[in-house]
Amino acid sequence: DTAVSQTPKYLVTQMGNDKSIKCEQNLGHDTMYWYKQDSKKFLKIMFSYNNKELIINETVPNRFSPKSPDKAHLNLHINSLELGDSAVYFCASSGQGLGEQYFGPGTRLTVT
Amino acid sequence: AQTVTQSQPEMSVQEAETVTLSCTYDTSESDYYLFWYKQPPSRQMILVIRQEAYKQQNATENRFSVNFQKAAKSFSLKISDSQLGDAAMYFCAYRSRNRDDKIIFGKGTRLHILP
Repeated sequence: DTAVSQTPKYLVTQMGNDKSIKCEQNLGHDTMYWYKQDSKKFLKIMFSYNNKELIINETVPNRFSPKSPDKAHLNLHINSLELGDSAVYFCASSGQGLGEQYFGPGTRLTVT
Repeated sequence: AQTVTQSQPEMSVQEAETVTLSCTYDTSESDYYLFWYKQPPSRQMILVIRQEAYKQQNATENRFSVNFQKAAKSFSLKISDSQLGDAAMYFCAYRSRNRDDKIIFGKGTRLHILP
């Protein structure tokens, strides 16, 4: 009964490929996020959805497209992968009035 | 724009001793949250402690406590009786009280525990 889960945990792929990362939360939260952690461990927001509606879209290449089929799921699709996309991608969720966000285990993406 | 600064990239402490990690932030808002997250080698992001800006009392969670100085925009984390399992990256983080706002993270402090 993991609160925020991501699949896959590891993803190795070649440049130019398209890949997806899935995220699910069973906490009943309304808001979900995608963060990117680079090789220097810096964490930065990419997207946020509230009840299936996009509310935060930071400066991210449009090769990255989030999709939220329902409020418990937020997937991240990446087209035409580049070497610089190699990072750990974290999904997170938060509920109303909580403040903190709960993170998934992360997906380590390696582009070769 | 809000920023979070952690000026200590790495720190070491002897097991059972006390260590303090520093964090400063910049914001023009008056109501917000502050957090410390821990990231062990497993890479899982774990919430250590949270502080609401309107509360003057410093938050504590077992061996972890904060020193929240709102006027100085300072939010340090004190770990007492350090244990080997405390070894991790520690991230200071800020979030506006706006319901759907993002968390802004500092660059992290890597904490080593010396046996």
